[in-house]
Amino acid sequence: ETGVTQSPTHLIKTRGQQVTLRCSSQSGHNTVSWYQQALGQGPQFIFQYYREEENGRGNFPPRFSGLQFPNYSSELNVNALELDDSALYLCASSLEGSGSYNEQFFGPGTRLTVL
Amino acid sequence: GNSVTQMEGPVTLSEEAFLTINCTYTATGYPSLFWYVQYPGEGLQLLLKATKADDKGSNKGFEATYRKETTSFHLEKGSVQVSDSAVYFCALSDRSGYSTLTFGKGTMLLVSP
Repeated sequence: ETGVTQSPTHLIKTRGQQVTLRCSSQSGHNTVSWYQQALGQGPQFIFQYYREEENGRGNFPPRFSGLQFPNYSSELNVNALELDDSALYLCASSLEGSGSYNEQFFGPGTRLTVL
Repeated sequence: GNSVTQMEGPVTLSEEAFLTINCTYTATGYPSLFWYVQYPGEGLQLLLKATKADDKGSNKGFEATYRKETTSFHLEKGSVQVSDSAVYFCALSDRSGYSTLTFGKGTMLLVSP
């Protein structure tokens, strides 16, 4: 069973640029959630995708957008990068649909630095 | 809205000392509660969980009890090891229809030999 993988591991961008981060979910999982973890802080929920549709969103502006593909992998896109977007971006996959909490399995994260 | 408050770190202990990391929460209804651990350079790993009041979650010698009356979920371990050095996050999920987590800010634990 393959765990959650993310790419790239590290990324450096400049202010105003756009970035795409990728996540492959764990085998058998149908849901991907994205979190932003600023330095010294806990992860903050960005959004979740369930069966290719956005299933919930945290307090993040529209320049944060995402996709989920038929194989349940996912992308996080951030437009017009700002310095405060520098953070570790975590992807988590789960198997949803039973109506109760289902454990989320986290990837190692992508470290984004905006200069 | 939901929130989780953890004691600030770092917590510095000698090997075999007793560990407590305090966590309190605010949520509507009856959330599920979790402790996650993050080792340097790695993602988050679920350490333990409790889904209803008075449940005790336990794993690898760590324990936490869901206390509804004090809205707390304190993490404890009787004898820490150097390998326990990591950042510990308390989190909740309010079962709003989909599983998302609200995290505390994390507490760094440093254990010296």
